Amino acid sequence: DSGVTQTPKHLITATGQRVTLRCSPRSGDLSVYWYQQSLDQGLQFLIQYYNGEERAKGNILERFSAQQFPDLHSELNLSSLELGDSALYFCASSGLGRGAAYNEQFFGPGTRLTVL
Amino acid sequence: AQKVTQAQTEISVVEKEDVTLDCVYETRDTTYYLFWYKQPPSGELVFLIRRNSFDEQNEISGRYSWNFQKSTSSFNFTITASQVVDSAVYFCALMMGTSGSRLTFGEGTQLTVNP
Repeated sequence: DSGVTQTPKHLITATGQRVTLRCSPRSGDLSVYWYQQSLDQGLQFLIQYYNGEERAKGNILERFSAQQFPDLHSELNLSSLELGDSALYFCASSGLGRGAAYNEQFFGPGTRLTVL
Repeated sequence: AQKVTQAQTEISVVEKEDVTLDCVYETRDTTYYLFWYKQPPSGELVFLIRRNSFDEQNEISGRYSWNFQKSTSSFNFTITASQVVDSAVYFCALMMGTSGSRLTFGEGTQLTVNP
């Protein structure tokens, strides 16, 4: 158990809909990352937040957005869903900011999104 | 730009065989970090090791060992005396020293250990 929690575990929805994925980082971790794992794109970095502020952005679609709240949990919002958005979405956290600049990232169990 | 290549898509071995998973990376940074993650059939990503670019010492942890060679930009992973529980997808990943903490993953190697 990495200490990172993600809900829900599975999500099935229809094209055009909007969903929210939730992540709680390990206790004390200030940095949260979102990754997408799909069959055609592999594991891709989407976005990173550090203590509530956006820190880095990857290949995240404009239809996707994220935020990190004062209690450090994060949400990834996916809207106008398409079939190609079906994937496993991972959240990870690290102790960046606690004195170790490039700590390893610990991953949550993922949310499997299926768009029908 | 950074890139990680895992040329072996699938490897199948018989239990107790040794197996090496290859990882080749590309980066222009002089400071970077390399990682290996394991993804068992249950789907979670399990951190295995981190290696800094300025530390080329090889590492051994039980049946696992890692060989880091900057001269060939490789960070290979060897499992000695493989076991069925080692069956998983293994990912090599790169973190640049200058672009924050995002991980760039390779395509992964599916390892199947048969009894």
